[in-house]
Amino acid sequence: DAKTTQPNSMESNEEEPVHLPCNHSTISGTDYIHWYRQLPSQGPEYVIHGLTSNVNNRMASLAIAEDRKSSTLILHRATLRDAAVYYCILGNSGGSNYKLTFGKGTLLTVNP
Amino acid sequence: DTGVSQNPRHKITKRGQNVTFRCDPISEHNRLYWYRQTLGQGPEFLTYFQNEAQLEKSRLLSDRFSAERPKGSFSTLEIQRTEQGDSAMYLCASGTGNTEAFFGQGTRLTVV
Repeated sequence: DAKTTQPNSMESNEEEPVHLPCNHSTISGTDYIHWYRQLPSQGPEYVIHGLTSNVNNRMASLAIAEDRKSSTLILHRATLRDAAVYYCILGNSGGSNYKLTFGKGTLLTVNP
Repeated sequence: DTGVSQNPRHKITKRGQNVTFRCDPISEHNRLYWYRQTLGQGPEFLTYFQNEAQLEKSRLLSDRFSAERPKGSFSTLEIQRTEQGDSAMYLCASGTGNTEAFFGQGTRLTVV
């Protein structure tokens, strides 16, 4: 499975934007970039995914580098409820499986 | 609540005992996944069902572990002769196609 590299932790202030980076230099042409987050004592929650183009949804934006070797999850205005572990995962959404290989993720702390 | 439901939420058992966990996926989701998560780590894939067929098993799933999804709806995960190293959060997820997975809140197993 292609690996991703994320910072162990990041800190942000409430109502400020947050940019969570992810490096995936060994990404293959068919790998999608998925982001999930896990709040304390909860199961992981889907955030967003993309292949080549930048993506936006109600939760976040995903900016993908032109060479696809890195991406950034953008939370436009962090709230205290966004404090969680954020996982960047590569997956082949064109395959018959949707097995997710989680790393350790980035622990995001949001300060009031 | 129409989300993924897992029972029990917590289980404490003595080493050597058998335990069984249940997962009720979102109805009409044909794909079901089991993951295991230990403290400070991301979830690790255990096994995957499409309808009632178990299509993939991780090498993490030793002979003491068995999972079933008899009618393509709910699933059970059984651990026989539990060991202290089995202590973890067991997460179930469901989905359709190759899009996002929806996770339950997990069953926390403690083997004493």
